[in-house]
Amino acid sequence: GAVVSQHPSRVICKSGTSVKIECRSLDFQATTMFWYRQFPKQSLMLMATSNEGSKATYEQGVEKDKFLINHASLTLSTLTVTSAHPEDSSFYICSARGLAGGYEQYFGPGTRLTVT
Amino acid sequence: DQQVKQNSPSLSVQEGRISILNCDYTNSMFDYFLWYKKYPAEGPTFLISISSIKDKNEDGRFTVFLNKSAKHLSLHIVPSQPGDSAVYFCAARYNFNKFYFGSGTKLNVKP
Repeated sequence: GAVVSQHPSRVICKSGTSVKIECRSLDFQATTMFWYRQFPKQSLMLMATSNEGSKATYEQGVEKDKFLINHASLTLSTLTVTSAHPEDSSFYICSARGLAGGYEQYFGPGTRLTVT
Repeated sequence: DQQVKQNSPSLSVQEGRISILNCDYTNSMFDYFLWYKKYPAEGPTFLISISSIKDKNEDGRFTVFLNKSAKHLSLHIVPSQPGDSAVYFCAARYNFNKFYFGSGTKLNVKP
């Protein structure tokens, strides 16, 4: 149980275009989803926290107009990287927490974004 | 401002021996600490956790120790197995929704 999927697993896009990444909780309902970014050999950096049906809470330094997050249902959250630039190239990972809350998060497999 | 640090990027251990992975933190308000295991091209998977009110939690071959005065936690794996080879992240929770991760330690268990 507690499976989280991400799609796509890899995406290459041209500079200036937008890319959407989907995060789905497959066998549980997630009231809260988290979006992380990981640079090579660095820790997971929390970008934003989203709760179903409400606006995401962004961490300091994360541009909310550039990284659009939508959590429209209890099983789906999307991250859209708008007007992507090469410096946005990174590994993006989502995680979800179930209705019971608590400290456990279940992570998706991640999405490798490369902006050329 | 890295609030959770894993100072050893890698660790190599012989099969059957003990693996000790270390993690330091700076924020005394963290209330939960977690260890995740990550294989290449996969998301982290939860391994074991410990509440800030405890100093030890054990689950099979895995034991996490917490030293609050030193703001230090460690994960012990004994005996280590080749399948344990992965990147291990420690994480700390603050204010229910904020999780801070270390940079990971790559464990290699040699057969």
